[in-house]
Amino acid sequence: EEQLVESGGGLVQPGGSLRLSCVASGLTFSDQEMNWVRQAPGKGLEWISYIGSFSRTTIYVADSVKGRFNISRDNAQNSVFLQMNDLRVEDTALYYCATLREGYHFFDLWGQGTLVTVSS
Amino acid sequence: SYVLTQPPSVSVAPGQTARITCGGVNIGTKSVHWYQQRPGQAPAVVVFDDSDRPSGIPERVSGSNSGNTATLTISGVDAGDEAAYYCLVWDTTTDHWVFGGGTKLTVL
Repeated sequence: EEQLVESGGGLVQPGGSLRLSCVASGLTFSDQEMNWVRQAPGKGLEWISYIGSFSRTTIYVADSVKGRFNISRDNAQNSVFLQMNDLRVEDTALYYCATLREGYHFFDLWGQGTLVTVSS
Repeated sequence: SYVLTQPPSVSVAPGQTARITCGGVNIGTKSVHWYQQRPGQAPAVVVFDDSDRPSGIPERVSGSNSGNTATLTISGVDAGDEAAYYCLVWDTTTDHWVFGGGTKLTVL
């Protein structure tokens, strides 16, 4: 069964940092283009960042987190990461990782998310 | 940046047809994807590339896209269709993905 499992969320103070992880199983991870999408409590979906497949260095980052969040991947660990720095209260959200359907521009397989709470 | 506009809520009686719109400048030139999200669950695609359905999605769920409006249509609505629905496009000018604000479908 194809599956994505996120971890690393938690409570952090404003200005702090967190590193989220997403581990894939049941699929060829290195072939997957990976994304992070977040959802603030009671709000809609917001795409955050994309990283290309294999060892491609193509990375896209939403303007709302540019300069603060960094996406990376380790194909040997079947994992994608999101390093989040200088966190703000408005970054509080459930963070999902998701694959991009090959040859298309929509998010296919999603994890169940990891909750990040930024509060003093 | 590209903006997608959805109505916050749509209400229909059981058995009727729900239409959820997604507005954007010349959205008809883009591929639109639709997601269903039930409470406590991750989103799941119900329509991709304007009008294609993934396996397992019934024919009563359909999509269209023209001009400045894309539409998700669900016919024969039942309680199981109650959920939030989001449209999504990839903006080629910025290489960013954009979601609409979401529409809460209520079955009366």
